[in-house]
Amino acid sequence: DGGITQSPKYLFRKEGQNVTLSCEQNLNHDAMYWYRQDPGQGLRLIYYSQIVNDFQKGDIAEGYSVSREKKESFPLTVTSAQKNPTAFYLCASTVGGGSQPQHFGDGTRLSIL
Amino acid sequence: AQKVTQAQTEISVVEKEDVTLDCVYETRDTTYYLFWYKQPPSGELVFLIRRNSFDEQNEISGRYSWNFQKSTSSFNFTITASQVVDSAVYFCALSEARGGANNLFFGTGTRLTVIP
Repeated sequence: DGGITQSPKYLFRKEGQNVTLSCEQNLNHDAMYWYRQDPGQGLRLIYYSQIVNDFQKGDIAEGYSVSREKKESFPLTVTSAQKNPTAFYLCASTVGGGSQPQHFGDGTRLSIL
Repeated sequence: AQKVTQAQTEISVVEKEDVTLDCVYETRDTTYYLFWYKQPPSGELVFLIRRNSFDEQNEISGRYSWNFQKSTSSFNFTITASQVVDSAVYFCALSEARGGANNLFFGTGTRLTVIP
């Protein structure tokens, strides 16, 4: 089945550690997105990528980094510079253009040890 | 600037009651798109509907209906004869047509609890 796979489902980070969240899609979508969800705050855009080897900062990019070496993959690294990383992270993809709905993965819940 | 407001943080209804979730948006663009997503306890967001700014026709899909009114910048969502499976967080979102990117601006969500 086509879809978006995020892994792991749960992740724990130690102080000063970088961690990477995986996002893979087999929908042949050009655009991919990373969102952060905190209780009561809805979803906020971290980074997005419209094509391979290109990505743009969203509203809350500080402390995060991404890469887009393959169309299918858009991993997110939460660096040690992100002082409050505890949140639910959602990856999404779409064919592109403002009219198309985004398809979401199941999310990764990141916590601090 | 773009903004989506979902003033209802939490709503509880008894099964079989009707419930309306409110969504008010702000945008300076004349071309834009509105979406509703459902987030069940499992966490993934499920797409429910898309409406473009030129189409004010209301839509009904089974027990779900949507009322889009540009005059009040609202895109409200009604569930008729609610069921326990409707319990979830519902998000309204706005996308503007410029730039080729499909960046969504989300409201803060409304948590719906349907009591059996």
